[in-house]
Amino acid sequence: GQQLNQSPQSMFIQEGEDVSMNCTSSSIFNTWLWYKQDPGEGPVLLIALYKAGELTSNGRLTAQFGITRKDSFLNISASIPSDVGIYFCAGPSKNAGNMLTFGGGTRLMVKP
Amino acid sequence: ETGVTQTPRHLVMGMTNKKSLKCEQHLGHNAMYWYKQSAKKPLELMFVYSLEERVENNSVPSRFSPECPNSSHLFLHLHTLQPEDSALYLCASSQRAGEKLFFGSGTQLSVL
Repeated sequence: GQQLNQSPQSMFIQEGEDVSMNCTSSSIFNTWLWYKQDPGEGPVLLIALYKAGELTSNGRLTAQFGITRKDSFLNISASIPSDVGIYFCAGPSKNAGNMLTFGGGTRLMVKP
Repeated sequence: ETGVTQTPRHLVMGMTNKKSLKCEQHLGHNAMYWYKQSAKKPLELMFVYSLEERVENNSVPSRFSPECPNSSHLFLHLHTLQPEDSALYLCASSQRAGEKLFFGSGTQLSVL
């Protein structure tokens, strides 16, 4: 099926460091979405990507739509404590009637 | 109020209770969703309503019953739940089915 695999599953970094995480699939996706979930809250959309090769920024966050259309990357520069949370990738799955399917998430912890 | 609002935020219920979760969206969207989020599992799509018509996920037990009286409101009726149903239940909406989702803050459900 069209599963999304995220790595790493968790990261524990020092404040100020840059962060990279990725999302891969065995199938092609036409849209990639990145969400962040704070503890006790619902996921919030960070960045949406609609075109292979697209590079989009939102403040210190930058995401890229892989040229193979089977992967996407999210980078966070100069991390701060409020970056703590779970980051999810998502994309519309043909196996689910084009409803969004989500990756397992990358849990980010930042040490001040 | 703006966005997607869920009530209650927290719910504790016994296995013989009947309760309902409520969701309201103020975004003018045409599709609404229920997701289940359990520890260490990806987000699981439970139900989708598009223009008030249900797209059913057949793997959802009948003890969960959704209701969508109009495009702004969505309910999840709960009856004779099991302890393994304890999870965060997230409501979301999108302009059209399959597009980027906007989530509520969720209802943290504990079944005793």
